[in-house]
Amino acid sequence: EVQLVQSGAEVKKPGESLKISCEGSGYSFTDYWIAWVRQMPGKGLDWMGIIYPGDSDTRYSPSFQGQVTISVDKSIYTAYLQWSSLKASDTGMYYCVRQHSGHPFDYWGQGTLVTVSS
Amino acid sequence: DIQMTQSPSSLSASVGDRVTITCRASPGFSTYLAWYQQKPGKVPKLLISAASTLQSGVPSRFSGSGSGTDFTLTISSLQPEDVATYYCHKYGSAPPFTFGPGTKVQIK
Repeated sequence: EVQLVQSGAEVKKPGESLKISCEGSGYSFTDYWIAWVRQMPGKGLDWMGIIYPGDSDTRYSPSFQGQVTISVDKSIYTAYLQWSSLKASDTGMYYCVRQHSGHPFDYWGQGTLVTVSS
Repeated sequence: DIQMTQSPSSLSASVGDRVTITCRASPGFSTYLAWYQQKPGKVPKLLISAASTLQSGVPSRFSGSGSGTDFTLTISSLQPEDVATYYCHKYGSAPPFTFGPGTKVQIK
């Protein structure tokens, strides 16, 4: 069974750093892209970027370039999304999702709720 | 960048009604268009890929059509369990993979 299991909810202060994770199982981890999608409270879905665990090829949405870093450790089948200095506007639910090139996003993680508040 | 718009942004319809949601892309692309359903507090669920291919297990009252710049999601007979927000999504092999802003569907 394909699963993407994300790390738990986080509460942080502005200016703090954060790294959340997404562990894949039940499929060949290096053959599928992993994307990150943000959903701010009460808002829609924002595609942030995507990484290919096979060679760490990473692409970012222009809206998120320089704001976050996407990385992967294929030895432990885990992708990461990190911030070096959080802002209150980073508050939201973050989903990782699997994609086979040329195909739609199919399996989604359960989401990680990030709350940034002083 | 590709811009995606959806109309309407929300709608209220009666059980049994036919509901149509439109997604417009600028610039257009082929048929790398998916539709997702997100119920409150839940993870988005893939309904349709390649503009018109219904995913396994999705009720046949859902259908999709279109190509290029204009795409449509139709619910032929709205049911109470269809209350959700629906998103169109441009995917493919080349990013960006933009989502539409969403259409909230409610029961009248």
